Amino acid sequence: QQQVKQSPQSLIVQKGGIPIINCAYENTAFDYFPWYQQFPGKGPALLIAIRPDVSEKKEGRFTISFNKSAKQFSLHIMDSQPGDSATYFCAAPGGGATNKLIFGTGTLLAVQP
Amino acid sequence: DVKVTQSSRYLVKRTGEKVFLECVQDMDHENMFWYRQDPGLGLRLIYFSYDVKMKEKGDIPEGYSVSREKKERFSLILESASTNQTSMYLCATGGNREVNQPQHFGDGTRLSIL
Repeated sequence: QQQVKQSPQSLIVQKGGIPIINCAYENTAFDYFPWYQQFPGKGPALLIAIRPDVSEKKEGRFTISFNKSAKQFSLHIMDSQPGDSATYFCAAPGGGATNKLIFGTGTLLAVQP
Repeated sequence: DVKVTQSSRYLVKRTGEKVFLECVQDMDHENMFWYRQDPGLGLRLIYFSYDVKMKEKGDIPEGYSVSREKKERFSLILESASTNQTSMYLCATGGNREVNQPQHFGDGTRLSIL
């Protein structure tokens, strides 16, 4: 089975810092890379997504950087806030025409005041 | 906004019981998914359905079955619950036939098997 490898497993930063979460994928046919954010007691929610025809996408304080040759993509959170403390999952298409996703193992982010 | 409702937030069952987890969506989406979430393992796909009465196995289907009799409802069934099925279960919808559509999740059912 194709995998998406996510690191680190957990991350602690100070308020205002820039946490970076990395993901690596195997299948060069992947063409959609979403990030999901999950708060305690809630289901994951789509945060931001990128397609491989661009190298970077920004939405507010969240940026995805994409390196197609290295088969890696990263989430950066600028000026991080305590409210950003959550678990973050990267994902990639699972194949077929059914909108399946393969998820990374998740990164637990804590932003300290 | 898409609303995905899971019938129970917390559930405690005994080994060997047949367990039903229910999920209802209000967006007329064709695709629906069941995942389990475990620390360090992320979200793993159990089963998914792309239409009424249609289902396909995900990555970890053993010990589970599903039912989709109506478009808005997707049920996960643990035929004979075991302690290793203690987990957080998440239901999601994933749009219609187009690929690369966002998935919308419910808030999960935390299931404990004693």
